[in-house]
Amino acid sequence: DIQMTQSPSALSASVGDRVTITCRASQSISTWLAWYQQKPGKAPKLLIYEASSLDSGVPSRFSGSGSGTEFTLTISSLQPDDFATYYCQQYNSYSTFGQGTKLEIK
Amino acid sequence: EVQLVESGGALVQPGGSLRLSCAASGFTFSGYAMSWVRQAPGKGLEWVSAISGSGASTYYADSVKGRFTISRDKSQSTVFLQMLSLRVEDTATYYCAKGTTNWSRYYVDFWGQGTLVTVSS
Repeated sequence: DIQMTQSPSALSASVGDRVTITCRASQSISTWLAWYQQKPGKAPKLLIYEASSLDSGVPSRFSGSGSGTEFTLTISSLQPDDFATYYCQQYNSYSTFGQGTKLEIK
Repeated sequence: EVQLVESGGALVQPGGSLRLSCAASGFTFSGYAMSWVRQAPGKGLEWVSAISGSGASTYYADSVKGRFTISRDKSQSTVFLQMLSLRVEDTATYYCAKGTTNWSRYYVDFWGQGTLVTVSS
């Protein structure tokens, strides 16, 4: 099974900050990686697929990059609505989620 | 508009059974893989089970293999998760999730609202 490791597990930042979250796969997954945002009590929401493709309606301040085993999600200028938990998911071989990164207000 | 509506969550004793349902609408049901993803209270997401658009292929996480069975009914546009021999550690919100392909290499583009399963004596 492919393991996904996110870092950091938690992150404190301020509105307007640039934030980067990293996701590492235990073996190469090419660009078969998605990112989701989840707010408390709600289902996850798709942000990015195929490592760098923005889902429809997702603000352009979100971007994804990477291939192989290392990937990043970047939020260029944090907005109040962005404070949430973020998960990466590999879908190269069945599926595995990272453990999540909780983004909190500083 | 795509809609996924889960039902069937409940409080059940350890060793008990439960069947979750997910009624789908707004897309060609047999054209897409469907999955169940769970989230224990305060924890992360876990991919539990998946089924191909045709129903011919299935996947189970090791944590549920041999206890859970996924199936789908084309006539009802519904996917099911039959859960047997439930354990305390199966306590979670279970989300129904629509894939983006029939089976191979898909991510989730739509999620249900979730249904809570609590396993406790």
